This record gives sequence, C-alpha cells and structure tokens, in this order.
Amino acid sequence: DAGVTQSPTHLIKTRGQQVTLRCSPKSGHDTVSWYQQALGQGPQFIFQYYEEEERQRGNFPDRFSGHQFPNYSSELNVNALLLGDSALYLCASSARLAGTGETQYFGPGTRLLVL
Amino acid sequence: AQKITQTQPGMFVQEKEAVTLDCTYDTSDPSYGLFWYKQPSSGEMIFLIYQGSYDQQNATEGRYSLNFQKARKSANLVISASQLGDSAMYFCAMTPIKAAGNKLTFGGGTRVLVKP
Repeated sequence: DAGVTQSPTHLIKTRGQQVTLRCSPKSGHDTVSWYQQALGQGPQFIFQYYEEEERQRGNFPDRFSGHQFPNYSSELNVNALLLGDSALYLCASSARLAGTGETQYFGPGTRLLVL
Repeated sequence: AQKITQTQPGMFVQEKEAVTLDCTYDTSDPSYGLFWYKQPSSGEMIFLIYQGSYDQQNATEGRYSLNFQKARKSANLVISASQLGDSAMYFCAMTPIKAAGNKLTFGGGTRVLVKP
C-alpha cells in the first residue's frame, strides 16, 4: 500500500519565479492538505482540498494556490517567490470519516530553496 | 482559534528509559482531536498516536501512550523503553472535529536525543 508521495524532493528557484509542487495521496484517501514548515518551526497549514474544492485555507497570501484532480492528487503553486518561501512543504492526506479526527498522513516533503 | 504549546525545546533520554513530552493546548471547539507526530532528520512527519476529546480512555500504540488530562488541557506523550531510533523531533498537534475542514495546528516541537 503506497503512502503519500511528493515530487520533486528538492527544488532551487530564484526570487520572482513560480513553482509547482505535486502530491499523490495515500490509497483510499480523498482529502489533501498542504503545510509549510520553516526551519526550526512546526508546520503551518496552507490549505486543504476535498472534492476538487478548497475546503479550508490558512493565513497565506494569494500567491499560494492549489488544485485537486479527479484522482485526488493535488498541486501547490507559489507565484512570485520570495526568500521567505524557502521551507519544507509537506503534503498530507486523510479520509473523511464523520465524527473522527481524520488522521492526516504525511509525505516526505519537498525542500524548496529560494535564492 | 487553536493553540498548542510545547515547552521543552530539547531533551536527552537514556536508552531503555521512559520519557514524557509535554503538550498543552487551548481551543474553543467542543470536540477535537489530539495527535503526536515524529519527524526524523529526513523530514517526513510520522503519525504516532491519536486521542479524541470524548474518548474515555487514554490512547496507547505500542511503546507510545498519551496521558490526556482534559481539565488541564494537556496531552503528554510517553515513550517507554526508548530506542536509539526514537531520536527525532516530536510535534503535538490538534484539529477540531467538525463537518468541514480539519486543519492541524502544531506546536513548536521537542527534540529528543536518545543516548546509548
């Protein structure tokens, strides 16, 4: 049973560029969430997708956008990159079960460095 | 709004001994879930254990147990019989249990180093 996969594993970009990160959820999961983790900090919630719609969004600017495809995979797009966008980007998937905490399972992450 | 506080930035523990990682939380949601994740240096966040706010018993998963004290708003993780492979960052997190949206709010983490 494949877990959550993310690509690429590492990425180097320059300021002002755009980047697309990809995520495939764990088998049987229909919800995908994205988190940004700066060095030495806990992850911060970016947004969550369910049924191809953005279900919830954290405190991130519009430069951060996403998409979910019919096969539940997802993309995170970041435009006009800033040095402060350098971080580990984590994707997590979950299955929506009413009345539970919907445990989120994480992928290995994409390390983005903006120069 | 939800908030997680982990007051121990780092800890040393002797191999084969038990260690307790502290976590306190604050929320206005009546129903919520509490999680612990392990993050090795590779970066992947590994799910360890879950506790629902209305669960009557404390959760256990192998060598991991969660000491849930609802009145004190604490959800401490106990790792028994520590192993060298337990050296990692540990994050406490919570989510509201509701119809739509279950974002995780994380604490700042505790770094554990197991000594042989």
